[in-house]
Amino acid sequence: KQEVTQIPAALSVPEGENLVLNCSFTDSAIYNLQWFRQDPGKGLTSLLLIQSSQREQTSGRLNASLDKSSGRSTLYIAASQPGDSATYLCAVRGRDSGGSNYKLTFGKGTLLTVNP
Amino acid sequence: NAGVTQTPKFQVLKTGQSMTLQCAQDMNHEYMSWYRQDPGMGLRLIHYSVGAGITDQGEVPNGYNVSRSTTEDFPLRLLSAAPSQTSVYFCASSPFVGPYEQYFGPGTRLTVT
Repeated sequence: KQEVTQIPAALSVPEGENLVLNCSFTDSAIYNLQWFRQDPGKGLTSLLLIQSSQREQTSGRLNASLDKSSGRSTLYIAASQPGDSATYLCAVRGRDSGGSNYKLTFGKGTLLTVNP
Repeated sequence: NAGVTQTPKFQVLKTGQSMTLQCAQDMNHEYMSWYRQDPGMGLRLIHYSVGAGITDQGEVPNGYNVSRSTTEDFPLRLLSAAPSQTSVYFCASSPFVGPYEQYFGPGTRLTVT
């Protein structure tokens, strides 16, 4: 059974700092990995999608890497801003136990606070 | 495009009541799914659909019913609400079943007393 772990559970940094969020998964047989952002009381906003054949994806100040063989992904946020404060969720897509469905397994998230 | 929309945003039910959470998407996506999000549990898949007329169970389907009569709509029905169903419910869609990017709705916060 796939398990996704995100470390740390919470992170507080001063504005302007570069930071890294970590995501690990137990089954390396994945199709892709997706990073989401969730603001309090809101839905999930997709940030980056990395296919299993890719090593990294970049969008603005965000860079996500994927090392499928070691079961790890990182989300790097450059020059953090108070507006980056949110919960960041990592999710991996693989086959379910029956082999018939592309199951999305989520981590529990990292709560990021960027202080002005 | 409005993307994925959900109604209502908030709902309070008494134990034993039934209700339907609405989900609609205007992106012509074939694949739609329902998740619940609970503190300390992450998001868990309730039911999903790979196209109109086809639905299947996810990880935590008990107490919920779904149908998919059109490509656009995927309602989630609570048959007899229980306090354990207090949660935030998210609907999601993607173009097809497979390793495609998922798009999420804004969620419905449900409290069962």
